[in-house]
Amino acid sequence: QQQVKQSPQSLIVQKGGISIINCAYENTAFDYFPWYQQFPGKGPALLIAIRPDVSEKKEGRFTISFNKSAKQFSLHIMDSQPGDSATYFCAAKWMDSSYKLIFGSGTRLLVRP
Amino acid sequence: SQTIHQWPATLVQPVGSPLSLECTVEGTSNPNLYWYRQAAGRGLQLLFYSVGIGQISSEVPQNLSASRPQDRQFILSSKKLLLSDSGFYLCAWSLKGNQPQHFGDGTRLSIL
Repeated sequence: QQQVKQSPQSLIVQKGGISIINCAYENTAFDYFPWYQQFPGKGPALLIAIRPDVSEKKEGRFTISFNKSAKQFSLHIMDSQPGDSATYFCAAKWMDSSYKLIFGSGTRLLVRP
Repeated sequence: SQTIHQWPATLVQPVGSPLSLECTVEGTSNPNLYWYRQAAGRGLQLLFYSVGIGQISSEVPQNLSASRPQDRQFILSSKKLLLSDSGFYLCAWSLKGNQPQHFGDGTRLSIL
């Protein structure tokens, strides 16, 4: 049972463009939504995170948009750079748990120079 | 600052052999510790977590076990590996409470 659905599976963007990755969740008992960035051969690194009482959070070129009623959240990468080429994972944390993250299946982003 | 170490980075093991992967965290005390498995092209699946020494919770039934002999040491083990145990194994830590998880660089395990 996939509780966090992520799309697209892969994404190709030109340098300077906007990369958009979407996630949808099924369970309203999630209360924390992080995004992780993973380079080949490395572990995922926390990129940015949001809580459901906020509709948008921006950190540099990275923005999370959160739509609580639609149970959707997305990652926007502005002015995408070749160095942003990586796999991105969204995740959701159970409200009654301080540990359990449910991950999406990942999006492989390629930013062409 | 806190750091997390996993070793080995890669491992090739025959079917039926034992397994021991080690993870250590530096720069913090009494962290929560986690073992995840990442299948190719898929997300991360939580296998085990630990809130303290000797305290292990399993998330999915499987051929693996975990132990936490010291505060900042987490070990993933198997007595007899199966082909289906192949994958990328990641250790993570977090502070107590609603704190983000931080991952190590993983061990790529191939079973032949």
